[in-house]
Amino acid sequence: DVKVTQSSRYLVKRTGEKVFLECVQDMDHENMFWYRQDPGLGLRLIYFSYDVKMKEKGDIPEGYSVSREKKERFSLILESASTNQTSMYLCASSLAGQGNTEAFFGQGTRLTVV
Amino acid sequence: AQKVTQAQTEISVVEKEDVTLDCVYETRDTTYYLFWYKQPPSGELVFLIRRNSFDEQNEISGRYSWNFQKSTSSFNFTITASQVVDSAVYFCALSEAQTGANNLFFGTGTRLTVIP
Repeated sequence: DVKVTQSSRYLVKRTGEKVFLECVQDMDHENMFWYRQDPGLGLRLIYFSYDVKMKEKGDIPEGYSVSREKKERFSLILESASTNQTSMYLCASSLAGQGNTEAFFGQGTRLTVV
Repeated sequence: AQKVTQAQTEISVVEKEDVTLDCVYETRDTTYYLFWYKQPPSGELVFLIRRNSFDEQNEISGRYSWNFQKSTSSFNFTITASQVVDSAVYFCALSEAQTGANNLFFGTGTRLTVIP
């Protein structure tokens, strides 16, 4: 059974903390993505990576960074967490292609910044 | 610029009714792909279907069917004889070939509640 696994289901952090969200996939996918999901806004792309050590900004990269040192792992970093980063974060992966491959999603991490 | 619009924020139906979820998209790319995903209460998005821009054939899979019309830039999703297990948030998404990295642009989702 193919899987995208996010390290935490729920997380509570304090304002100003550095936060790491981890994502691992076991499908040998080239592409990996981080989205945030907010009510009424759908899913918005934060960052994506199409290869190890490669990263590209999505639509809302401000306040975030990412790391991809190994093909199977893609980390999202909140350098200094703020309350407006309280959200559901979803990791996804897909095969390389020209827009035609479906993405597989993790179960999500609900982050609360207090 | 690409855009996906799901105008229906929430829909409630009684079990066994049919329901259609609307999706309208915008893109300048001539080659693109449309997707539907289901997000049950557990949170994980589940892939339902992919269509490419060159294939306007409608598709049926069990109680699910999809109507793709390029003339109206729509990719609507119909559930026939709805069941309580269909209750979820449904997302329509667009991917463009020219971006190359399979970025998905999502609509804001439609929350479907099926009442027993």
